[in-house]
Amino acid sequence: DIQLTQSPSFLSASVGDRVTITCRASQGISSYLAWYQQKPGKAPKLLIYAASTLQSGVPSRFSGSGSGTEFTLTISSLQPEDFATYYCQQLNSYLYTFGQGTKLEIK
Amino acid sequence: EVQLVQSGAEVKKPGESLKISCKGSGYSFTSYWIGWVRQMPGKGLEWMGIIYPGDSDTRYSPSFQGQVTISADKSISTAYLQWSSLKASDTAMYYCARREYSGYATDYWGQGTLVTVSS
Repeated sequence: DIQLTQSPSFLSASVGDRVTITCRASQGISSYLAWYQQKPGKAPKLLIYAASTLQSGVPSRFSGSGSGTEFTLTISSLQPEDFATYYCQQLNSYLYTFGQGTKLEIK
Repeated sequence: EVQLVQSGAEVKKPGESLKISCKGSGYSFTSYWIGWVRQMPGKGLEWMGIIYPGDSDTRYSPSFQGQVTISADKSISTAYLQWSSLKASDTAMYYCARREYSGYATDYWGQGTLVTVSS
């Protein structure tokens, strides 16, 4: 299986901050990486697909980059509604694994 | 509008069987893979497996192979996840999700089905 390691696992930040979350794959996955946001009691929401393509309707303060084994999700200016848990997912094979998640909390 | 609507919450006893459902609408159900994801209480997302309703081609994550069965009935645009003998450790929220056509993400998700297994 391809393993995904997210860092950090927890992140404390303030409204207006720029934050970056990293996702490392145990082997190359080209650009088959997606990012999701999950709020308590809700289903995950797709933010970024193909490593860097913004899903329709997602604010432009979210961006993704990377290819191969290292990927990042950046939120350029945190808004109150962005405090949530973020997951990366690889779709390089049919064993679509997720990272362990990054919980973004208000400082 | 694309929608995935899952069946309601279930409370079961250990050893019982269960089949939960995920009904797709607003798109060609037979043309998109549907996956299942487990989220245990307070934990992260785990990929369980995926099915192509057009021909029922199914792939399981090794952790779930033999533990669950994924199926689909294309005549009613519905995918299923079933257990033959539940365990307490199956207590979790289960989500279905549609794989985006080019395979780069899962773009639409069901609302989740909470399964509670307790004696």
